[in-house]
Amino acid sequence: SAVISQKPSRDICQRGTSLTIQCQVDSQVTMMFWYRQQPGQSLTLIATANQGSEATYESGFVIDKFPISRPNLTFSTLTVSNMSPEDSSIYLCSAEEGTKTEAFFGQGTRLTVV
Amino acid sequence: GEDVEQSLFLSVREGDSSVINCTYTDSSSTYLYWYKQEPGAGLQLLTYIFSNMDMKQDQRLTVLLNKKDKHLSLRIADTQTGDSAIYFCAEMGDNTGKLIFGQGTTLQVKP
Repeated sequence: SAVISQKPSRDICQRGTSLTIQCQVDSQVTMMFWYRQQPGQSLTLIATANQGSEATYESGFVIDKFPISRPNLTFSTLTVSNMSPEDSSIYLCSAEEGTKTEAFFGQGTRLTVV
Repeated sequence: GEDVEQSLFLSVREGDSSVINCTYTDSSSTYLYWYKQEPGAGLQLLTYIFSNMDMKQDQRLTVLLNKKDKHLSLRIADTQTGDSAIYFCAEMGDNTGKLIFGQGTTLQVKP
């Protein structure tokens, strides 16, 4: 199974600033995704991180707010831009290998915006 | 659009069996998953089932799938206090790999 590491694990940020979250997978994977889990809520997909091209965003999420990079098959970043307290959430990276059966998650980044 | 529903809370006594239920709407779901989330932690994949299966057993975990009723359940035998967590049901409906999650069921295990 793929092991996914996220950095930072948690952060407290000032409103108006930006935070970049890193996701590193210990093996090459075909699919990488970013999810948001708001306090006490379930997970909502933000976007699919496409290797070598622009990410595919879900309804309600835009590139200007959540720019995503995926330079290779093992690494991706999510930036939360111009943060407000409403962005306080857990952000989780997910990866799936070629068979698209097992979907693994990182431990998440707990973001608090003050 | 696709929807996944779970009851929000379940309380059991240590040693009893727990059954967590999930319903989904997407009849084209290919895989269905159960994840566990402990406080302050990420999601741990517990098990998954392919849509052409009725049952899957893995040690204390049994997954039952009723495709006709679009109903999925997770049974935990001999529930322990360490099983206390939030359990999420998720479905993968197409070839994109995207998951749709339920709201999560908080399992409380009393000693």
